[in-house]
Amino acid sequence: DTGVSQNPRHKITKRGQNVTFRCDPISEHNRLYWYRQTLGQGPEFLTYFQNEAQLEKSRLLSDRFSAERPKGSFSTLEIQRTEQGDSAMYLCASSDLSTSGDNEQFFGPGTRLTVL
Amino acid sequence: DAKTTQPPSMDCAEGRAANLPCNHSTISGNEYVYWYRQIHSQGPQYIIHGLKNNETNEMASLIITEDRKSSTLILPHATLRDTAVYYCIVRATSYSGGGADGLTFGKGTHLIIQP
Repeated sequence: DTGVSQNPRHKITKRGQNVTFRCDPISEHNRLYWYRQTLGQGPEFLTYFQNEAQLEKSRLLSDRFSAERPKGSFSTLEIQRTEQGDSAMYLCASSDLSTSGDNEQFFGPGTRLTVL
Repeated sequence: DAKTTQPPSMDCAEGRAANLPCNHSTISGNEYVYWYRQIHSQGPQYIIHGLKNNETNEMASLIITEDRKSSTLILPHATLRDTAVYYCIVRATSYSGGGADGLTFGKGTHLIIQP
């Protein structure tokens, strides 16, 4: 039984570069969430998908951020023209609406982004 | 616009019960109380949730006051591995007539279990 996996685990980039992160949810989970967490703060919701449809986007998700879940399985989060303020841990979570009623989200280990 | 208030930190002796309080005085009738925890360098982990009745599972017990304005998470026999940040979250689910927004985390309570 594999949990939620995220790749890469760490990413260091220079300001202005584009980065892409991948999340593989638990198999058959229909909901997939992205969160961002900065040091000393709780995670902040960014966006979520139900199957391949992106149903909610936080106002934190600027136009430099884009997320996709093309086949309703894995998801990618891309940040264009990175800024130092984008440095954070990016967390992915999945849930199964049909069995848990979306009551339990399973989180991955996160991707830590450092923008120099 | 945090919906919950938690103490920033707490200590508990190993083997004793850890009681973590949470105030949610503006909770709506269709909002559940959820608890997650985050061990250092890991993603958050679901613990328990409830609407108005007390709940218990293999990890913890959740006590919700009758007016639902506050709750307490109880770890009955705390171990060193329970050292983590504990988040209390209120949220309406799609089944309770609310939206399917993501979880709104505050800063949580940093629980430190002392040997």
